[in-house]
Amino acid sequence: DAGITQSPRHKVTETGTPVTLRCHQTENHRYMYWYRQDPGHGLRLIHYSYGVKDTDKGEVSDGYSVSRSKTEDFLLTLESATSSQTSVYFCATGTGDEKLFFGSGTQLSVL
Amino acid sequence: RKEVEQDPGPFNVPEGATVAFNCTYSNSASQSFFWYRQDCRKEPKLLMSVYSSGNEDGRFTAQLNRASQYISLLIRDSKLSDSATYLCVVNILNTDKLIFGTGTRLQVFP
Repeated sequence: DAGITQSPRHKVTETGTPVTLRCHQTENHRYMYWYRQDPGHGLRLIHYSYGVKDTDKGEVSDGYSVSRSKTEDFLLTLESATSSQTSVYFCATGTGDEKLFFGSGTQLSVL
Repeated sequence: RKEVEQDPGPFNVPEGATVAFNCTYSNSASQSFFWYRQDCRKEPKLLMSVYSSGNEDGRFTAQLNRASQYISLLIRDSKLSDSATYLCVVNILNTDKLIFGTGTRLQVFP
């Protein structure tokens, strides 16, 4: 399995506060992704990165920003958390052949 | 219409049974297809890619039907450990993005 670590694993926060989730990989994969998973929806892409400092929006990017200053780290920031952002967040990496390797997920609750 | 649709199930089958899931996709430009497996409260993991000619990996067989725009996953001789949610994943031509279905839940009972 690819070495992908997400932190924190669980977080409870209040509406309006900023939140940053971290994804760290040891596989030197070029591509990194942030997804959210909610009941009744498939995994939905928030943002992705195709290299250091190269990022692009996914289908549900509103309210989220990302940064990738090093190959191994991809940060997801909720600028001002809302209850609709309560979800399970998965980081994934890939080599460009469309096969993804996922981290263990972060359960985020916004109260 | 959703881009990728799956029957959510659950499919409840006894050990040893054969079970099949279908997944339909709406974009005829889709190029690549995959099945992922997700255990409860865990991350998805790649089960197998789906090739135009179909492919088999042990008890698992994946097929692609481009004319009808669906892919299928067949599991033979079901094991208790096969209990999981199976996610259908489709890419869109000339994009870096994959579209995930909501998954089909399989429960294998003794």
